[in-house]
Amino acid sequence: GAVVSQHPSWVICKSGTSVKIECRSLDFQATTMFWYRQFPKQSLMLMATSNEGSKATYEQGVEKDKFLINHASLTLSTLTVTSAHPEDSSFYICSAPEETGRLDGYTFGSGTRLTVV
Amino acid sequence: AQSVTQLGSHVSVSEGALVLLRCNYSSSVPPYLFWYVQYPNQGLQLLLKYTSAATLVKGINGFEAEFKKSETSFHLTKPSAHMSDAAEYFCAVSDYPGNTPLVFGKGTRLSVIA
Repeated sequence: GAVVSQHPSWVICKSGTSVKIECRSLDFQATTMFWYRQFPKQSLMLMATSNEGSKATYEQGVEKDKFLINHASLTLSTLTVTSAHPEDSSFYICSAPEETGRLDGYTFGSGTRLTVV
Repeated sequence: AQSVTQLGSHVSVSEGALVLLRCNYSSSVPPYLFWYVQYPNQGLQLLLKYTSAATLVKGINGFEAEFKKSETSFHLTKPSAHMSDAAEYFCAVSDYPGNTPLVFGKGTRLSVIA
């Protein structure tokens, strides 16, 4: 089935630095990628939707300049957390629609645990 | 706007007992409904999905769910709980998979007692 590879699995960075998270579709073309954020013991909240070759669409309340999303190719979407602060510490997960022909499912990356110290 | 409500943030069952995790949805169009399981610090694994075919959906690991339009429900069940079932479970809805993102419920943590 469709697989999305997400890296890194976990990262610790200093406050003020930037961190890039990558999601690659391994055996299909992901024209759309959804980025979610999950706080401890909470649900997944949609941050933004990226489409290959166009600007990402951000959900209300998500800072575009802090969470930079790039979807430059059909197999790679990246999320860069710029000038990270401790409150950005969270679990980030990407998801792409499965290209099954029936478009009836999604595949998820394994997630990235970001800790800002 | 679509939404799902999961009743009960935490459910505890004995090993071998019935598992019932509740999910009610709200949708203005025929929904596509999903159940996912998440283990600590991991991504989401699809258990099963309803895509307007059979109302009783069988998934992996012995789980199944029944779509009931009259009750706007999509409850997840498993006849006999196993210790390995302890995890976080999310119900999610989409009006058109592929075009729109999933909207998740708040999740239900399942504990299995030996």
